[in-house]
Amino acid sequence: AQSVTQLGSHVSVSEGALVLLRCNYSSSVPPYLFWYVQYPNQGLQLLLKYTSAATLVKGINGFEAEFKKSETSFHLTKPSAHMSDAAEYFCAVSDLETSGSRLTFGEGTQLTVNP
Amino acid sequence: KAGVTQTPRYLIKTRGQQVTLSCSPISGHRSVSWYQQTPGQGLQFLFEYFSETQRNKGNFPGRFSGRQFSNSRSEMNVSTLELGDSALYLCASSIRTSGGANPYEQYFGPGTRLTVT
Repeated sequence: AQSVTQLGSHVSVSEGALVLLRCNYSSSVPPYLFWYVQYPNQGLQLLLKYTSAATLVKGINGFEAEFKKSETSFHLTKPSAHMSDAAEYFCAVSDLETSGSRLTFGEGTQLTVNP
Repeated sequence: KAGVTQTPRYLIKTRGQQVTLSCSPISGHRSVSWYQQTPGQGLQFLFEYFSETQRNKGNFPGRFSGRQFSNSRSEMNVSTLELGDSALYLCASSIRTSGGANPYEQYFGPGTRLTVT
């Protein structure tokens, strides 16, 4: 079964600093990977996805992630944090055995941005 | 295009009761998936419906069921509610077509917050 692990349940950065949220995956086949963001009392919003087309994936709001097969990682980064980035972030892997319709999520990382 | 809508947004029920949650997907999306989100277990897949048929099911007891209508709208039902069923229930829709394995993007609704007392 495919799975993802997010390292660090809480990450705190200063406004303007680099954001790095870590995600490692476990998969016996090439995975499809996603990053979602959840603001308080809201659903999940897709930030970006990796589907093997390119290892560096750019998403919305200035976020990007790099797929590294050798490290089984798909870390999310943003060069300069903004106060509005404070939210919970989830890494997810798609289960291709079910035609990609089932997402398995990591535990989530709560990002705090300090002024 | 309107997003995924879920009704009601908040719900309070008593143990032993049953509840029905509703989800309207994005227009043109034929797949609807349901997820449960709790502080302890995180986000867990419940089931997916496509073309009015349940295609995939997560590891939840039979008290959790769902259905999909011809217009792709979906309902989820939980019978004999337990305190542990208190959660945010998220619905997601995607443009999945029949056949082939593709990671169709899933678009999530705002969720229904269910509290069981």
